[in-house]
Amino acid sequence: GNSVTQMEGPVTLSEEAFLTINCTYTATGYPSLFWYVQYPGEGLQLLLKATKADDKGSNKGFEATYRKETTSFHLEKGSVQVSDSAVYFCALADRGSTLGRLYFGRGTQLTVWP
Amino acid sequence: ETGVTQSPTHLIKTRGQQVTLRCSSQSGHNTVSWYQQALGQGPQFIFQYYREEENGRGNFPPRFSGLQFPNYSSELNVNALELDDSALYLCASSQPGGVNTEAFFGQGTRLTVV
Repeated sequence: GNSVTQMEGPVTLSEEAFLTINCTYTATGYPSLFWYVQYPGEGLQLLLKATKADDKGSNKGFEATYRKETTSFHLEKGSVQVSDSAVYFCALADRGSTLGRLYFGRGTQLTVWP
Repeated sequence: ETGVTQSPTHLIKTRGQQVTLRCSSQSGHNTVSWYQQALGQGPQFIFQYYREEENGRGNFPPRFSGLQFPNYSSELNVNALELDDSALYLCASSQPGGVNTEAFFGQGTRLTVV
């Protein structure tokens, strides 16, 4: 089946620190991969995505590379800001399905201190 | 900020009661998906509606049901509420096309069952 495993949080960093949040997946087909962010009191927002192996998704200084050989899609940012404090979800969707159903990991809480 | 709006934002119900949650999709979107996000967990797919028909369903019992209206807004109904139904319920709207289209999430309805 389809599933996503994320590193457990919470993750606490100082401003300008380097961020990595690990994500690995299991999929029956050839998935597309996503990172969503959830700020306090808000719904989910798409942060970045990658649709095929070796693609790199990027947005707002965040990056993630689709690694088929290691079934991974780790999220990185070189210098975090206080405003990056949020919950981050890794997700996949089966490209062979017209449904677009998303399978989410458990989420990783990130807190950035000034 | 997305054009997806959900109501109410918070709700408290008693075990055994029934509840209806509402979602207005983003303009031009005819597909609505519902997700349940329990505390500390990632969102879980409940079902999807496309052109007023259920288009796919996750692993949820029949007491979770839905509707989609001609204007593409949607309702999620839960009968015989249980304590474990306490969660954030998220609605996402999109164009059809599976992973090739982006899903836009509302801010969610926080349901507490006591």
